[in-house]
Amino acid sequence: EDQVTQSPEALRLQEGESSSLNCSYTVSGLRGLFWYRQDPGKGPEFLFTLYSAGEEKEKERLKATLTKKESFLHITAPKPEDSATYLCAVQGLIQGAQKLVFGQGTRLTINP
Amino acid sequence: AAGVIQSPRHLIKEKRETATLKCYPIPRHDTVYWYQQGPGQDPQFLISFYEKMQSDKGSIPDRFSAQQFSDYHSELNMSSLELGDSALYFCASSVGEGTQYFGPGTRLTVL
Repeated sequence: EDQVTQSPEALRLQEGESSSLNCSYTVSGLRGLFWYRQDPGKGPEFLFTLYSAGEEKEKERLKATLTKKESFLHITAPKPEDSATYLCAVQGLIQGAQKLVFGQGTRLTINP
Repeated sequence: AAGVIQSPRHLIKEKRETATLKCYPIPRHDTVYWYQQGPGQDPQFLISFYEKMQSDKGSIPDRFSAQQFSDYHSELNMSSLELGDSALYFCASSVGEGTQYFGPGTRLTVL
């Protein structure tokens, strides 16, 4: 069964203090690994899709990387508006199985 | 850019009542997914449809049913509601098995 574990559960940073969020996964063949941002009471907002080990993607202060066992979301010089829960999810290669399996998320708080 | 539309945004029901949630996917998206997110939990997959046919099924209770219509919108029907059904219900859409884009959700409260 596909599994995703995210760490830490919660992270508090000062504005400008860079850090990384971890997503460890086990999947029977990876179709894609996805990062979403979720604000309280709102739908997950798509950030990145990674398909193969070694792949990296960047968007503003965020950079996502992927290995065969884990993914990292690096946040550089964060601002208070980056405060949110960051969700990692995997989609397996089994034909017809399109579901995303999510981790529990990392709740990120950036203090001004 | 157009996003996924869900209605209603908030719904309050009594135990044992029924509820219908609606989802309108992004234009030209042919696949719709339903997820349930309890307080402090991650989204849990319920069911998905591709080209109006059920394509995958998760931990969806037998009291729930769903379908996708010819215009690609989807409806999640929930009967005999229980207190534990209170949650955020998200719809997502994609082109085939591509990236899933989520709607704003429907907050269901069962009293």
